[in-house]
Amino acid sequence: DTAVSQTPKYLVTQMGNDKSIKCEQNLGHDTMYWYKQDSKKFLKIMFSYNNKELIINETVPNRFSPKSPDKAHLNLHINSLELGDSAVYFCASSRGPSGSDTQYFGPGTRLTVL
Amino acid sequence: TQLLEQSPQFLSIQEGENLTVYCNSSSVFSSLQWYRQEPGEGPVLLVTVVTGGEVKKLKRLTFQFGDARKDSSLHITAAQTGDTGLYLCAGLNAGNMLTFGGGTRLMVKP
Repeated sequence: DTAVSQTPKYLVTQMGNDKSIKCEQNLGHDTMYWYKQDSKKFLKIMFSYNNKELIINETVPNRFSPKSPDKAHLNLHINSLELGDSAVYFCASSRGPSGSDTQYFGPGTRLTVL
Repeated sequence: TQLLEQSPQFLSIQEGENLTVYCNSSSVFSSLQWYRQEPGEGPVLLVTVVTGGEVKKLKRLTFQFGDARKDSSLHITAAQTGDTGLYLCAGLNAGNMLTFGGGTRLMVKP
């Protein structure tokens, strides 16, 4: 059973389009995250939600809007895609919002903006 | 901004060799984590070190947290091809967020 799953695995789109990435976890965790990994492999946190409430928003452009319909899902919608948005986006979850709680990562979504 | 620098960025060795990778910062972290990431997958936590000077072993992998909690090292003894991957360190800051380093890409050749 996949603990943290993301769809789609690959996403290729044109500049200016709007796209969504979905994330689901079946671990019963309260906290979920979105990270962006750039071409140099730096992994940076974008958002964190705990019990469907936003707790971390790391200076991400307004074009990125996370939505958590329930504790098991955290989706990421991106408006007006730009070339610089090309990256691998990882969803993760943890038991709670403490940084010492182990984070479990999904397989990633590779977004390519042309 | 707290930065974690990992070195080397790339390392290619033969099976059976030993290696050490480093994770350095000018900032103090309350704990430090090491992850391994394989192509097409997300990072997987290997270990968390919390106390300055702490040493943890995971089979052939030895992790050490610096006394001042600003740096860490990962030593692999008798590397195997299965050790190939991207090794990431991540420090937990006072704001309860993880800051990741840029990773060391290790290739172990048979």
